[in-house]
Amino acid sequence: EAQVTQNPRYLITVTGKKLTVTCSQNMNHEYMSWYRQDPGLGLRQIYYSMNVEVTDKGDVPEGYKVSRKEKRNFPLILESPSPNQTSLYFCASSLGLAGSYNEQFFGPGTRLTVL
Amino acid sequence: EDQVTQSPEALRLQEGESSSLNCSYTVSGLRGLFWYRQDPGKGPEFLFTLYSAGEEKEKERLKATLTKKESFLHITAPKPEDSATYLCAVQAWSGYSTLTFGKGTMLLVSP
Repeated sequence: EAQVTQNPRYLITVTGKKLTVTCSQNMNHEYMSWYRQDPGLGLRQIYYSMNVEVTDKGDVPEGYKVSRKEKRNFPLILESPSPNQTSLYFCASSLGLAGSYNEQFFGPGTRLTVL
Repeated sequence: EDQVTQSPEALRLQEGESSSLNCSYTVSGLRGLFWYRQDPGKGPEFLFTLYSAGEEKEKERLKATLTKKESFLHITAPKPEDSATYLCAVQAWSGYSTLTFGKGTMLLVSP
């Protein structure tokens, strides 16, 4: 089954404790992206990657890191989480960026709480 | 700066009562406009992409249309299973690698 998976689905942590949220897709997609979704603010892009070893900042990159060493994986790293990073996080992927290749498939979400 | 405004924020319909959701946008050269459906606790699910004014796309009870300033998602004879939050997003030619999302319209269809 074609899908985007994220782990963990739920995470409660404390300020300053480094964490990684994994994202994996099995559709051989080139483009992958991370979003956060907050009430009243909608979905906002954190980082994206157009291919292996190619990453760039989205609208709200502060406090986050990413890496793309393999095509299928795109982990999101919070080196020193703070309470304002409490949010619902989504990973997404698409075949490319042009035309119908831009149909993004989203993962199920990771609900992060930073105390 | 690209902007997307969706209205209404919430809409309650009776089963069979047709209506439309609005997505107004400002973007420096529209590359594409996207509609997604999001169920509670799940990731958004792709519905449509529209590229140019006058374009229309349909899927079951949903029909999306596009003008130079806004897009409409028409829902004909909705059913309770159409209840969800509907998201609109735009992609500009400049900075084409990012999508700007609206805040969504929460639709509730009662039997």
